[in-house]
Amino acid sequence: EPEVTQTPSHQVTQMGQEVILRCVPISNHLYFYWYRQILGQKVEFLVSFYNNEISEKSEIFDDQFSVERPDGSNFTLKIRSTKLEDSAMYFCASKGMGQGADGYTFGSGTRLTVV
Amino acid sequence: DAKTTQPPSMDCAEGRAANLPCNHSTISGNEYVYWYRQIHSQGPQYIIHGLKNNETNEMASLIITEDRKSSTLILPHATLRDTAVYYCIVRWRMDNDMRFGAGTRLTVKP
Repeated sequence: EPEVTQTPSHQVTQMGQEVILRCVPISNHLYFYWYRQILGQKVEFLVSFYNNEISEKSEIFDDQFSVERPDGSNFTLKIRSTKLEDSAMYFCASKGMGQGADGYTFGSGTRLTVV
Repeated sequence: DAKTTQPPSMDCAEGRAANLPCNHSTISGNEYVYWYRQIHSQGPQYIIHGLKNNETNEMASLIITEDRKSSTLILPHATLRDTAVYYCIVRWRMDNDMRFGAGTRLTVKP
């Protein structure tokens, strides 16, 4: 069964450093998403991406965040200057089009720890 | 903007049916009901969705009341591996994002 792959599985970074979280969506999917989940809290929407541009973003997705699809297969989330409160699980998801394609497929996540 | 209400937790005996309720009294005519689950700290997993009719797939059944104000997700023979947080989400099909609430923590017990 096709999978969404996220790397790394765990990243530790110092406060103020830039991090890039990587995702390889399912190959024929067209919609891409980033979510985060702070420990013990709910899954929160960050951003959606379609046709090489951001479709929608939440209030969490401020100027410190950016997304990119650099080469047609990878989908990245960049945090420019990490803060302690950015520590969370970050999930990438993708979705196809057409009948029966409404369910998102999520990756297994990247655990980001900011120290 | 809670569109759905779910009990915070439920228990179920292994091998029995797990029936997870969801209230969505303000659902509009073009909004679908989606169910996802999250096992421990894994990424959420899509289970099923429906508009008006009951739906069944290899994972579960979705029963939607005639007035569409509530629904029930049924896992017909729960196993220990079905222990997870289950999310009921109401969403217009063409919306660009899926918004998760607190969900129901289902614990399947031996």
